[in-house]
Amino acid sequence: RKEVEQDPGPFNVPEGATVAFNCTYSNSASQSFFWYRQDCRKEPKLLMSVYSSGNEDGRFTAQLNRASQYISLLIRDSKLSDSATYLCGESNNNDMRFGAGTRLTVKP
Amino acid sequence: NAGVTQTPKFQVLKTGQSMTLQCAQDMNHEYMSWYRQDPGMGLRLIHYSVGAGITDQGEVPNGYNVSRSTTEDFPLRLLSAAPSQTSVYFCASSYSAGGYQPQHFGDGTRLSIL
Repeated sequence: RKEVEQDPGPFNVPEGATVAFNCTYSNSASQSFFWYRQDCRKEPKLLMSVYSSGNEDGRFTAQLNRASQYISLLIRDSKLSDSATYLCGESNNNDMRFGAGTRLTVKP
Repeated sequence: NAGVTQTPKFQVLKTGQSMTLQCAQDMNHEYMSWYRQDPGMGLRLIHYSVGAGITDQGEVPNGYNVSRSTTEDFPLRLLSAAPSQTSVYFCASSYSAGGYQPQHFGDGTRLSIL
């Protein structure tokens, strides 16, 4: 069983839409959580870390639900430039695992 | 401001050949790791290192060796290449071990095994 699960999508949304992704993890001892963005044929780049209290960075909001073992990413007012694959990552000590990614396409 | 540098960017090998993928970082990061990324599988951890002289296995270590003689470098060796090792390989580093720091990725090596 894969330890980190994501809906692969694709999510196709119009500009200006709000879209949310979820990511579930199986390791209850996981300590840290992250969202990365990956453009086609590029390396993953950190979008934001996810804190227990939830955190926001501009149009992006990340939340952690330890009881249900999932993290979420909300993107408001989607831009064409938000089109990418979004990877969630969870870390326990020195072992970081990633989901397979959720593909988002924002259309005009 | 190089960050994490991987070489080569592309490589084609024949089955049975060996090669080394290079990874160097100039951020004085303690933690370095290697991932492979395959379609539908996401990133899978191959090996990691928490400091010079210390390495450990990740999720998919078979067929790969690593060493960490300096803080800066973390090469990945394919001992005898197999078609199943065709993938995109990413090296990553973070300031410290323990998992609390996000990782910074190199721009990848695309490897094809014929």
